[in-house]
Amino acid sequence: NAGVTQTPKFQVLKTGQSMTLQCAQDMNHNSMYWYRQDPGMGLRLIYYSASEGTTDKGEVPNGYNVSRLNKREFSLRLESAAPSQTSVYFCASSVSRGRETQYFGPGTRLLVL
Amino acid sequence: ILNVEQSPQSLHVQEGDSTNFTCSFPSSNFYALHWYRWETAKSPEALFVMTLNGDEKKKGRISATLNTKEGYSYLYIKGSQPEDSATYLCASNQAGTALIFGKGTTLSVSS
Repeated sequence: NAGVTQTPKFQVLKTGQSMTLQCAQDMNHNSMYWYRQDPGMGLRLIYYSASEGTTDKGEVPNGYNVSRLNKREFSLRLESAAPSQTSVYFCASSVSRGRETQYFGPGTRLLVL
Repeated sequence: ILNVEQSPQSLHVQEGDSTNFTCSFPSSNFYALHWYRWETAKSPEALFVMTLNGDEKKKGRISATLNTKEGYSYLYIKGSQPEDSATYLCASNQAGTALIFGKGTTLSVSS
């Protein structure tokens, strides 16, 4: 099992460009999450999908959109990147929302110039 | 949005010292409390998930306790080793909501 995979690992964008971060899990988990990690801020939830076909906003959703493509895949899109979106992005999954352990991907480091 | 607080923000101890960190969370509608260990340049890894008041969990030299009535959890590390150096995250949620993470406690252990 690969667990949670993320692509790309590193990306440089110019302000205003768009991109999609991809996440996939092979653990048959129902819930998936996108977090961003900034220095001194811990992990902040951007969006999550409690189950296939549903998505909900987290703490910091502005500037992002998500798609739960199927049970395995959950993508995060930046329509018009801004320097404030420079961060490390982590995808995670769990059996269901709440009491089950979350398993994290390796992260995507994004730099917006 | 739920507010999860961790203290201290950072901690430096000598090898062999025992140490502990605190996680505070709202006690109303409590559902679960998670602890994760996060090493530099890696992904967070789960340590414990606790749901009941009075829960105590242990994994090797690391243990955790939970008080849901007053809204806090302690993480203890006995006899710290350099390989324990990491950021320790706690996260909590209420029923029907997603986990909210604290900002973490960064532990540095010197040999």
